[in-house]
Amino acid sequence: EAGVAQSPRYKIIEKRQSVAFWCNPISGHATLYWYQQILGQGPKLLIQFQNNGVVDDSQLPKDRFSAERLKGVDSTLKIQPAKLEDSAVYLCASSLVKKGEQYFGPGTRLTVT
Amino acid sequence: GENVEQHPSTLSVQEGDSAVIKCTYSDSASNYFPWYKQELGKRPQLIIDIRSNVGEKKDQRIAVTLNKTAKHFSLHITETQPEDSAVYFCAAISTGNQFYFGTGTSLTVIP
Repeated sequence: EAGVAQSPRYKIIEKRQSVAFWCNPISGHATLYWYQQILGQGPKLLIQFQNNGVVDDSQLPKDRFSAERLKGVDSTLKIQPAKLEDSAVYLCASSLVKKGEQYFGPGTRLTVT
Repeated sequence: GENVEQHPSTLSVQEGDSAVIKCTYSDSASNYFPWYKQELGKRPQLIIDIRSNVGEKKDQRIAVTLNKTAKHFSLHITETQPEDSAVYFCAAISTGNQFYFGTGTSLTVIP
């Protein structure tokens, strides 16, 4: 079974620039999550999709972050403009059902300089 | 929203000893509690989970206990091995399907 795919794996940008991350969940997984993990901290949920609808985005900084999951499969997370404090690993995860086992992708390490 | 606290932040044990990590949560409506293991530079992986209708669950050397009244749950690792060294995260999921992770425990098993 193929796992959750993410790209790019690493990204370095300057503050105020824009960046986009891509996630391809495990085939058939209806629920998709984006997390932000700052070094030394636990993952923080940014947004959760059920198919192509948003279940929860209460912790997403909507003034600069946006995410979409068109057609209920792949998803993109965008940051515009980036700030220094956005430096983190962005993890995508998917699960077959709500409150099911989450499978994480390898993450994208973002460095904002 | 939910608030998940995890203790200790670091834990060192001798190989063969037991390790216990504790988490507390604030939202009494939370009803699913997974534990994840994250090795350095790798993705989190589910190691065990428990739902609120169960008090204890075991899987070989790993067990999780849940006290709904006190709103805390614990991870127990027995007969620890060097490969158990990693960061462990607890999480609590509310009825609104919102996931809240603890701050992590860095476990070191000393050979």
